[in-house]
Amino acid sequence: LAKTTQPISMDSYEGQEVNITCSHNNIATNDYITWYQQFPSQGPRFIIQGYKTKVTNEVASLFIPADRKSSTLSLPRVSLSDTAVYYCLVDLPGGSYIPTFGRGTSLIVHP
Amino acid sequence: SAVISQKPSRDICQRGTSLTIQCQVDSQVTMMFWYRQQPGQSLTLIATANQGSEATYESGFVIDKFPISRPNLTFSTLTVSNMSPEDSSIYLCSGGDRTLHNEQFFGPGTRLTVL
Repeated sequence: LAKTTQPISMDSYEGQEVNITCSHNNIATNDYITWYQQFPSQGPRFIIQGYKTKVTNEVASLFIPADRKSSTLSLPRVSLSDTAVYYCLVDLPGGSYIPTFGRGTSLIVHP
Repeated sequence: SAVISQKPSRDICQRGTSLTIQCQVDSQVTMMFWYRQQPGQSLTLIATANQGSEATYESGFVIDKFPISRPNLTFSTLTVSNMSPEDSSIYLCSGGDRTLHNEQFFGPGTRLTVL
C-alpha cells in the first residue's frame, strides 16, 4: 500500500506559483501518480498524472524525481479560483486498483 | 473523459429507512467506485462496484449495510440501509478506465442527512 503524505494546508497569493509536494516512499515500479482537485460541494476533478520526470498540461506541471519517492504539483500564477483541496494518489500494484485518498492539501489563495 | 451524474443530489431521511443513490456514466467505464466523505474530510472508499458480480467492500463496510448493484458498464446504485444519523455524509461515485491509468471521473455527490 503506497501511502501518501502531503502538507495539510498552504497559503498563497494571486499570481504566485504554488508547489505542493507529496511523499510516497514505497511507490511500486508500475505505479502512476495522479493529482486531483476538489472544490467545496463538488466531486474531485483530475488535474494531472505522471510516471517519471516532468509532465505539463494546460493546468499544471508535475515533477517526479528519479527515485519517484515524491512528486510536486506546480500551479503557475494561481488565482482565487485555485482555492481548493488537492489530493495525490498512487496506483496500487498487483492489478487490483484500490484508490486511496490521503488527507489532501487545502490551498487558500489570497487576493 | 466521462461525465458522471448522481441522483438524488441531496436528501433528508428518517432513521431506520433506506436510500438508494443512482450513478450514471455517459460512457462505458471499466471501474466504478463508491466513496463517503464527511464535511472537511478526505474521501473514504466504500467499495468497488463490479459489473455483473458482487461489489468488493473495503474494511469497515459491509454488503448488508451498503448493498451495491452494477448491472452494466454505465450504471450503479448504492443503497444506504437502516440509516442512522452517523450515516449523514456526502456519497460520491466515480468511474474510471484502466487504459487511462486508473484516472477517475467523479459525480457531484449526494448529500445525505439522517434525522
